[in-house]
Amino acid sequence: NAGVTQTPKFQVLKTGQSMTLQCAQDMNHNSMYWYRQDPGMGLRLIYYSASEGTTDKGEVPNGYNVSRLNKREFSLRLESAAPSQTSVYFCASNLGANTDTQYFGPGTRLTVL
Amino acid sequence: QKEVEQNSGPLSVPEGAIASLNCTYSDRGSQSFFWYRQYSGKSPELIMSIYSNGDKEDGRFTAQLNKASQYVSLLIRDSQPSDSATYLCAVISARGSTLGRLYFGRGTQLTVWP
Repeated sequence: NAGVTQTPKFQVLKTGQSMTLQCAQDMNHNSMYWYRQDPGMGLRLIYYSASEGTTDKGEVPNGYNVSRLNKREFSLRLESAAPSQTSVYFCASNLGANTDTQYFGPGTRLTVL
Repeated sequence: QKEVEQNSGPLSVPEGAIASLNCTYSDRGSQSFFWYRQYSGKSPELIMSIYSNGDKEDGRFTAQLNKASQYVSLLIRDSQPSDSATYLCAVISARGSTLGRLYFGRGTQLTVWP
């Protein structure tokens, strides 16, 4: 039981390049989330998927797209990376109830030059 | 007004002392409250959840909730150097939507010195 896994762990991009961050969970959770964490800013929600087949914007969705590929997988795509997207990205999941704890993956450290 | 506010710290306490971490939230309708611990370079991990007014104890950790004052706190008794981390307060706020979102405070960095 691996919990929430993310790939890659580290990535360096040049401005304008694209990439996809992958996230998978093996806990049979319904809901999945993408956050970014910047120094002094805490964790901010980018996009979330309440259930398979649905996605919604969070606080900071601009410059990102997501795909809920199936119940296990939720990917985050940067179409044209910008230096402002340099951050640590965390994927999380939970069963989906409003009281439910979210479980986090190990994170992806992204640097955009 | 931010959804969740934490005292920014950093907070420094000696080993064996009580560390007190505080958090306020803006949505009076919030029902679910969490404390996460995050070691440097690692992902957040849940240490406490609380849903009802009052205290909830788990080992050396006690979470306190006061919905009337919109205030959540975390007490760490007998603090250890291994407790040194950033503590994130998180609140689920529905704001009229069907699925509540988890809002995080900016975190309080705690250092426990031997």
